[in-house]
Order: sequence, then structure tokens, then C-alpha cells
Amino acid sequence: NAGVTQTPKFQVLKTGQSMTLQCAQDMNHEYMSWYRQDPGMGLRLIHYSVGAGITDQGEVPNGYNVSRSTTEDFPLRLLSAAPSQTSVYFCASSPTYTPSNQPQHFGDGTRLSIL
Amino acid sequence: TQLLEQSPQFLSIQEGENLTVYCNSSSVFSSLQWYRQEPGEGPVLLVTVVTGGEVKKLKRLTFQFGDARKDSSLHITAAQPGDTGLYLCAGVPVATLGRLYFGRGTQLTVWP
Repeated sequence: NAGVTQTPKFQVLKTGQSMTLQCAQDMNHEYMSWYRQDPGMGLRLIHYSVGAGITDQGEVPNGYNVSRSTTEDFPLRLLSAAPSQTSVYFCASSPTYTPSNQPQHFGDGTRLSIL
Repeated sequence: TQLLEQSPQFLSIQEGENLTVYCNSSSVFSSLQWYRQEPGEGPVLLVTVVTGGEVKKLKRLTFQFGDARKDSSLHITAAQPGDTGLYLCAGVPVATLGRLYFGRGTQLTVWP
């Protein structure tokens, strides 16, 4: 059982570079989301998707893009990396279109440093 | 501003002590969840509380959802070193069913 798989686990970028964080789930979950975790800030929602072809913004969407072309994959794109985007990024999924009352299954995170 | 306020932010106690962690908001939630996170891993769900006034017990952990569905608490009895970790509350406000918000977390350390 793979669950939620995030790649890469670690990444170092230079300011201005772009990159894509990958997230895949094999549980046929409808809802997927991206969070960033910074010290003392808990998890903050970046973007989420309630199903293939449907995405929406969370609390801190600026500087990030997402797409959901399949049920399984939900990549997060950094368009032009900035030092403020240094963080640990978590992808999560849950069975139905709303996260309400649903257990979130998290990946192990991607640790991203922007120099 | 944080939608869910957790307190305390840090808690350092001796094995055998009891503790309570609080999660408060001015918003009404359809449900509240508690997660525990270990270093280098993603959060793992402990419990979901759905009904106002609900109390759930998980061995030495007791979770309560406020009557007005705006707050929750986690009580641990006779804490053990294995309880050490980051405890996060999370919830979906009734006004925004697509968004799950997290509190900032309580870092618990239990010393032998």
C-alpha cells in the first residue's frame, strides 16, 4: 500500500528557478490538497482539489500553481522560487469531495530550501 | 490571524503527569480533528469529533468537542514518553466546506 507518495523528498533551488513537487495517491481519493509547514505556524493550506479538473485556492496560494488532470496526481508548481517559499510541503488526500469528517492521508513531505 | 488557536504552544512534563491541550475558534465547525505528527513524517489522524458536546476516548486520550462546535480539547492521562510529538487540531468551517484548516500545534515533550 503506497498511500500518498511525494517526490522529491529534498530539494535545493536558487531564487528565480521553477520546479514541480509531485504528489500521487493510489486510493482513488477525490479530495487532494497541498500544505506548507513552517516552524510555529502549523500547516497552512495552499491549494486543494475536490476532483479531477477542479482546483481552488487555500490560505496562501500566491506563487504556486496546481492542476488535477487525473484523480491520482496533484502536482504543485513553484513559478519563480523565492526564499520565503523555503518550507516543508505536505500533500494529503481523503476519500470524498469534502474533507469534512474525512481522515486526511498525508505523504512524508518535501523539504524545500530556496537560496 | 489563525482560524484555530491552539494552546499551549509548548508543553514539557514528566512521565505520569496529566495535561490538556486546547483548540479554540470564533467560527463554527462541521467537525474537528486531532492529528499527531512525528519528526520527518506527515500528521496522522487520532480522532474526529462531529457532534457538539461529544466526548471520545482513545485509551489514555480524551477528546471533547464544545457544545457550540467552536472549540475542542485533548486531555492525556498519565503521559508517557511515547506521547511526545506535535499535536495539531484541524477543522472545516461550516461556511467553507472545501477547506481544512489547521492550528499551529502543541509540541509535547514527556520526560522519563
